[in-house]
Parts: sequence; C-alpha cells; structure tokens
Amino acid sequence: NAGVTQTPKFQVLKTGQSMTLQCAQDMNHEYMSWYRQDPGMGLRLIHYSVGAGITDQGEVPNGYNVSRSTTEDFPLRLLSAAPSQTSVYFCASSYFELAAEQFFGPGTRLTVL
Amino acid sequence: AQSVTQLDSQVPVFEEAPVELRCNYSSSVSVYLFWYVQYPNQGLQLLLKYLSGSTLVKGINGFEAEFNKSQTSFHLRKPSVHISDTAEYFCAVSDAARGKLIFGQGTELSVKP
Repeated sequence: NAGVTQTPKFQVLKTGQSMTLQCAQDMNHEYMSWYRQDPGMGLRLIHYSVGAGITDQGEVPNGYNVSRSTTEDFPLRLLSAAPSQTSVYFCASSYFELAAEQFFGPGTRLTVL
Repeated sequence: AQSVTQLDSQVPVFEEAPVELRCNYSSSVSVYLFWYVQYPNQGLQLLLKYLSGSTLVKGINGFEAEFNKSQTSFHLRKPSVHISDTAEYFCAVSDAARGKLIFGQGTELSVKP
C-alpha cells in the first residue's frame, strides 16, 4: 500500500494564481481531510469528507474548494492564491468510525509570492 | 466547541531524562483524545489515543499519557527520552458525535546529548 500520497511536494505561486493540490489514498478510507500547518498554530482543518459526494467545511475553509468524486481522491483547490495561504498542507484519511486513527500524507509546502 | 491547549511550545531536555508534555482540552461533550508525533519534514503519525476505560494509556516508543477528566488534561510522558524522540508533538481531540479532529498548537521536544 502506498498509503496517503500528496502531489506536488513543493509549489511556488504568484498572488492570484489558482492550483490544485492532489491527495490520494489506497486504503479504502471513507473519511478524508485537509489541514494547513502554520508555525505556532498547530494543524487547522480546512475541509473534510465522509464519503464520495459529501464534503463539509472545517475551521478555515475560506479561499479553498474541495470535491470528492471517488473514495480514493480528495483534491484541494486554491481559487485565487494569496500570501496568507503560504503554509504546509497535509491530507489525511481514516475509516469513518469514532476515534479512528488518521493517516497523514507527507505534505505539500506552498509559497505564495 | 472543542479546543486544545498545549501549555509548552518548546521543551528542551537532556537524553535519558524524563519528560512531560502538557495538554488541556475543553469540550461540552464526550471526547476522544490523541497524541500525534511529527518528525522533521514528515507527516504526522499516531502515538496513542484514549477512548474510554483505564485513564493511563500506553503508546508506541515508550510514551504514555494519563487522562484526567476533572482537570480536563491529557499529559504525555516518557520516563527516559532518546535523541530520536526529537520531534513536534500534537495533542488532539475528537468529539464523540461528529468525529472531527481538532489539534493543539504543538510542542517541540528537543533532546540534547
């Protein structure tokens, strides 16, 4: 199993550009989520999904869109990048059961100039 | 709404010394509690979790945590640390109803020889 994979590993954008961060998992997990990690702020939940076709907002959803057309994939779209979105982004997946262990991808380091 | 506070942003210790990383949480509903570890330039991995039952939970790499309901705390301990324990540690809470994971700000553990 590859687990949770994320692409790209690094990305530099200019303000106003759009892009999609890719996330895929091969563990047949129902639950997938996106976090951003900023120094001193821990991980903050952006969006999450409990299954294909179902998504919901987390703590910091503004400026991001998600969709879940398959169980395996959960892409995160930045519509118009801003410097405040400079961060490290982590995708995670788990079975949809209470207290299930979340498995994290290796992260995407995004810089917006 | 739940929240998690990690009381120390950085904890420097010498090798073979004991360590305690402190975590307090607030919630109006039943919760599950977690500790995750992030080694440099990697994603997060689960150290241990508390669901119910015994308040002392043992995890991987010799770590343990104690759930204290009256003090709403879930402190992480290790009796003797190694250089390889140098990492960032995150406390997290998941509410029993919805399953979303909320992270604390993180504690950087630095183990010196």
